[in-house]
Amino acid sequence: AQSVAQPEDQVNVAEGNPLTVKCTYSVSGNPYLFWYVQYPNRGLQFLLKYITGDNLVKGSYGFEAEFNKSQTSFHLKKPSALVSDSALYFCAVRDTGGGNKLTFGTGTQLKVEL
Amino acid sequence: DAGVIQSPRHEVTEMGQEVTLRCKPISGHNSLFWYRQTMMRGLELLIYFNNNVPIDDSGMPEDRFSAKMPNASFSTLKIQPSEPRDSAVYFCASSLDGGVGNIQYFGAGTRLSVL
Repeated sequence: AQSVAQPEDQVNVAEGNPLTVKCTYSVSGNPYLFWYVQYPNRGLQFLLKYITGDNLVKGSYGFEAEFNKSQTSFHLKKPSALVSDSALYFCAVRDTGGGNKLTFGTGTQLKVEL
Repeated sequence: DAGVIQSPRHEVTEMGQEVTLRCKPISGHNSLFWYRQTMMRGLELLIYFNNNVPIDDSGMPEDRFSAKMPNASFSTLKIQPSEPRDSAVYFCASSLDGGVGNIQYFGAGTRLSVL
C-alpha cells in the first residue's frame, strides 16, 4: 500500500517570504507524486508532478517541489508567497496497483498574511 | 473544453430522501472518480470507473450509496435513503488513462446538506 503524510495542518507565512509545505511518502516501487491546490468553494486543481528525472519540479503559479528519495519527501515550495496563495494544499501519490487512482494526504492549509 | 461539470452545485434535502448527484467528465477521458470531502475525514475516494466499468468501489460507505456510469460522458452518484451524516462536498474527477503521470481534473463539487 502507498501513503502520503502532511505533518502540518496549517502553515502561516508573511507575504514576500518563502514558503514550504511538507509532504512525505511511502510507496513500494517508483513514486509518482503530485501536488494539488484547493481554493475556497472550488475543486482541486493540479499544480505539479514528479514522475522521473530532475528532482526539482516546476509547476503553476511559481510553485516548485523538491523530490528527495533518501528522505522520501516531496515538499512544495515558493520563493515569495502571495496573499492569493492562501488555500488548501494536497500532496498525492499514484497507487501502485495501476490506473489513475491517487492516494491523497490530509491537506495543509496555507495562510499568507500581509 | 468546459472541464468536469457537476450538478447541482448545492443540494439541501431531508433525511430519508433520495439524492442524485451528476457528473459530466471531460470529453475523451476514460477514468472517472467520485470523492467525498468533510472536515472530519478529509478527502475520501468513493468509487473509480475506467472505461465506464467500476474498478474500485471499496470506498463506498454502505449500500445506501450507488454509482453508475451508463456511458463515457455521464455518471451519477445516488444516496438512498440519505442521512445527516452524508452531508459533505462531493467531487467528481476525470482523467485520461495511459501513463503514470496522468492528471485528475476535478469538478467544482456538489455541496450536500441533509437535514
